[in-house]
Amino acid sequence: ETGVTQSPTHLIKTRGQQVTLRCSSQSGHNTVSWYQQALGQGPQFIFQYYREEENGRGNFPPRFSGLQFPNYSSELNVNALELDDSALYLCASSPGGGTGNTEAFFGQGTRLTVV
Amino acid sequence: AQKVTQAQTEISVVEKEDVTLDCVYETRDTTYYLFWYKQPPSGELVFLIRRNSFDEQNEISGRYSWNFQKSTSSFNFTITASQVVDSAVYFCALSEAHTGFQKLVFGTGTRLLVSP
Repeated sequence: ETGVTQSPTHLIKTRGQQVTLRCSSQSGHNTVSWYQQALGQGPQFIFQYYREEENGRGNFPPRFSGLQFPNYSSELNVNALELDDSALYLCASSPGGGTGNTEAFFGQGTRLTVV
Repeated sequence: AQKVTQAQTEISVVEKEDVTLDCVYETRDTTYYLFWYKQPPSGELVFLIRRNSFDEQNEISGRYSWNFQKSTSSFNFTITASQVVDSAVYFCALSEAHTGFQKLVFGTGTRLLVSP
């Protein structure tokens, strides 16, 4: 059973650019969530995808968007990067629709630096 | 509004000491779920425990134990006989049932340093 894998592990982008981060969910998991973790802070919920549809969103602007594919893998896209977007981006997968009581399994994250 | 507070920013102990990490939460939901996660330097969040709002039984798993008290909105985590491998950042998190999806609201974390 493979766990949650994210790519790339590190990334440096220039302000104003666009970035795509990727996540492969754990085998058998149909729900993927994305979190942003600024340095020294707890993770902040960005959104959740279930069966290729966004079914929950946190307080992030529309320039944060995502996709989920039929194999349940997912992408996080961020347009018009700002310096404050520098953070660790964590992907989590869970089974059964990812409802409130589900155990979420996290990947090791992508460290994004915007310069 | 939902909120999780971990007032202890950093705790330093010597190996074999017991340590308690505090977590206080706020929610208007009657059905909610509480979690603890461990974040080692590698970055991934490791699930430790889930507790629902209707189950106030304390739980023990090896050297780990959790004390859930709805009366004080607290869900504290104790490590008995700490080890160097316990060094990490620990997060408490809350998820509300009414949303229909899992939005984990995390505290700011407590960094635990266990020295030999």
